[in-house]
Amino acid sequence: EAQVTQNPRYLITVTGKKLTVTCSQNMNHEYMSWYRQDPGLGLRQIYYSMNVEVTDKGDVPEGYKVSRKEKRNFPLILESPSPNQTSLYFCASSLWSAGGTNTGELFFGEGSRLTVL
Amino acid sequence: AQTVTQSQPEMSVQEAETVTLSCTYDTSESDYYLFWYKQPPSRQMILVIRQEAYKQQNATENRFSVNFQKAAKSFSLKISDSQLGDAAMYFCAYRSAYRSAGKSTFGDGTTLTVKP
Repeated sequence: EAQVTQNPRYLITVTGKKLTVTCSQNMNHEYMSWYRQDPGLGLRQIYYSMNVEVTDKGDVPEGYKVSRKEKRNFPLILESPSPNQTSLYFCASSLWSAGGTNTGELFFGEGSRLTVL
Repeated sequence: AQTVTQSQPEMSVQEAETVTLSCTYDTSESDYYLFWYKQPPSRQMILVIRQEAYKQQNATENRFSVNFQKAAKSFSLKISDSQLGDAAMYFCAYRSAYRSAGKSTFGDGTTLTVKP
């Protein structure tokens, strides 16, 4: 089954304790991205990756890190979480290739609810 | 930078009736994609419908259709014969079609309530 898998789905942590949210896709997609969803603010893009070893900032990258060492994985790292990073996080992937038929559609994981105390 | 505006934070519709959700966007690009995503209480993001900017014809998917007005930068979603399962938050989204562009922009969402 084609899917994007995020872990953990729920996490409660404390300020300053480093954490990683993993994201893995099995669709051989070049493009992957992270979003956070907060009430009344829609989804805001944190980081994205056009391909392996290529990452770039979205609209709200402060306090986050990412890496793309393999095509299928795109972990989100919070080095020193703070309460304002309490949010619902989504990872997404899409086909994005030169010369191919791109639909632009994003395939989302099920979301990770993070609470920072 | 692109922006997406959904001016209706909440909408309600009677079951079996028709409802239209509004979305406007701002961009200087000529080639892009527009989407409507649905987020039910399960939080899963589900693609409802997609439109490519270079296509004049409005996209349709069963009971869902869009009114795409490129010059006006408007992209509304019409849901016909509304069903209880349509109750969800709906997000309008923009994505550049240029290969170098990786950003996607979402509106703030419209919460749709379906009344039996």
